Amino acid sequence: GQQLNQSPQSMFIQEGEDVSMNCTSSSIFNTWLWYKQEPGEGPVLLIALYKAGELTSNGRLTAQFGITRKDSFLNISASIPSDVGIYFCAGQRTGTASKLTFGTGTRLQVTL
Amino acid sequence: EAGVVQSPRYKIIEKKQPVAFWCNPISGHNTLYWYLQNLGQGPELLIRYENEEAVDDSQLPKDRFSAERLKGVDSTLKIQPAELGDSAVYLCASSSDGPTDTQYFGPGTRLTVL
Repeated sequence: GQQLNQSPQSMFIQEGEDVSMNCTSSSIFNTWLWYKQEPGEGPVLLIALYKAGELTSNGRLTAQFGITRKDSFLNISASIPSDVGIYFCAGQRTGTASKLTFGTGTRLQVTL
Repeated sequence: EAGVVQSPRYKIIEKKQPVAFWCNPISGHNTLYWYLQNLGQGPELLIRYENEEAVDDSQLPKDRFSAERLKGVDSTLKIQPAELGDSAVYLCASSSDGPTDTQYFGPGTRLTVL
């Protein structure tokens, strides 16, 4: 099935650094979601975006809904070891009910 | 509040054998989803239930996969017979008021087919 393009595929950063990742699609979405998945667990919702141009924060996390509605961005400030995991974006279209299309994931590693 | 419960957490079987996964959604959640997650990929929807009704099963390979949600609560996903390519994590998720509500995921069942 379709998967959204996420970049970078993986990141190795030092504790305290800021992180940026993005997600792009060839088609428009009306809702963008960002999830985090840790080993052996299911994805956990971090941020939901419902309007083009919207900028939403959740603690050290900030996400933006791209103006074109074909992309979204996630930033993590002052990373800490517990930020380690795989970050997935997911898009949702109006009219397709709850179907979520997930990205390929960005694996984040944080070193001390 | 308890989250989505799945069992077993891990399953190893030989090809051509049947296998079943069980999901108990969050209490009161009417919508239940089964996702397939291949290694290094994001989850992909297999089937969505609204109460007892399967309202989206377009991505479910019906030749070998089946699912049921009797009484609109617990759900079972079955594969018969399993193939090598079925090795993956099978995730269950649930949401409360319908398709636009937040989906909460269980920990998944990791299937290995030998």
